[in-house]
Amino acid sequence: GDSVTQMEGPVTLSEEAFLTINCTYTATGYPSLFWYVQYPGEGLQLLLKATKADDKGSNKGFEATYRKETTSFHLEKGSVQVSDSAVYFCALSDQAAGNKLTFGGGTRVLVKP
Amino acid sequence: DTGVSQNPRHKITKRGQNVTFRCDPISEHNRLYWYRQTLGQGPEFLTYFQNEAQLEKSRLLSDRFSAERPKGSFSTLEIQRTEQGDSAMYLCASSLSRISGNTIYFGEGSWLTVV
Repeated sequence: GDSVTQMEGPVTLSEEAFLTINCTYTATGYPSLFWYVQYPGEGLQLLLKATKADDKGSNKGFEATYRKETTSFHLEKGSVQVSDSAVYFCALSDQAAGNKLTFGGGTRVLVKP
Repeated sequence: DTGVSQNPRHKITKRGQNVTFRCDPISEHNRLYWYRQTLGQGPEFLTYFQNEAQLEKSRLLSDRFSAERPKGSFSTLEIQRTEQGDSAMYLCASSLSRISGNTIYFGEGSWLTVV
């Protein structure tokens, strides 16, 4: 079945540091890939997505590129802020599986001033 | 468009009691999903509807759990005879079905604590 593996946290950074969160996936079909962010006590918000190989999703300074050859979708941000402290989830959506989302375990990011 | 709405946001119940959560999806969305999330984990799929039809149920959805979407609009998730292991956040999400890449939008979640 489909699965998503992402690096475990917590990841602790100083403000303006570079952030990378690794994500790899396994899928039988041709999935769409997503990053969701969850702030404390809240639901999930879509951060960015990519629907086919070599697509780059971007939003709020975050970027991720759909790499089919390495089955990866790593999240990056060049200069993090304290407000980026949250839990980040990588997910895939497979049309063959009803387009439901399969999530990774989440990576907690803490940015210190 | 007010987004996906869930209520109640928090529920504390005694073991053995029944609880029901309601989800109102984004108005034009024909797909509705339920997920469960425990502390420190990613959301796990429970079930989904396309219009009023329940198309898939996860093995996580025991016979104590039932979900309905009677008119293809709002949905309810009922848990009967609650157990402490049911304590989690129950997330509802909706989307407009497309061929690929449809974005799924989540509500704020309903926290359940079984004591």
